[in-house]
Amino acid sequence: DAMVIQNPRYQVTQFGKPVTLSCSQTLNHNVMYWYQQKSSQAPKLLFHYYDKDFNNEADTPDNFQSRRPNTSFCFLDIRSPGLGDAAMYLCATSRDVQAQFFGPGTRLTVL
Amino acid sequence: KQEVTQIPAALSVPEGENLVLNCSFTDSAIYNLQWFRQDPGKGLTSLLLIQSSQREQTSGRLNASLDKSSGRSTLYIAASQPGDSATYLCAVFSGSARQLTFGSGTQLTVLP
Repeated sequence: DAMVIQNPRYQVTQFGKPVTLSCSQTLNHNVMYWYQQKSSQAPKLLFHYYDKDFNNEADTPDNFQSRRPNTSFCFLDIRSPGLGDAAMYLCATSRDVQAQFFGPGTRLTVL
Repeated sequence: KQEVTQIPAALSVPEGENLVLNCSFTDSAIYNLQWFRQDPGKGLTSLLLIQSSQREQTSGRLNASLDKSSGRSTLYIAASQPGDSATYLCAVFSGSARQLTFGSGTQLTVLP
């Protein structure tokens, strides 16, 4: 089945230790998104790639970066995680402005 | 700036009841509206997508309507089951930035 895959599902890191989350998709969608979702809150868009074009949200901290080496893969890099970065990170994909499909998420814990 | 509101924030119903979840948005210039389901600690599952030119979409026991001019959408769930218990999120895709704006969700509990 076509799907959005996120690895790892659970990530524990130490305060200030860089971490990379990965997302892959078999849907051949041209748009990939990264969201941050904290407990009992709606997902918050961090950035997205429209084809190869990177679009950063104005309020996304500089601590967060992303890479999309090819159509299928996208990475979220957190350079120096703080306690406030503990959250669920969701990857989503879409074909242009059509429906977005989400992966299962990565739960990040910062010690 | 698009804002999305969902009412009620929480809803508890006995099994078998039909129910309606409400969603409203402030900017009617939308591409589409999507309803999602989220189980605790899980990702989002897309339930229904309504394009801006459409009035409703149906999938099984679910029916979603869209009134773009009034900025409202409803999700109707027929014959609710305990397995329907989850948080339901409404999201609107709009704006020159092509961004999905989420409501804060309705937490649904269906009692056996």
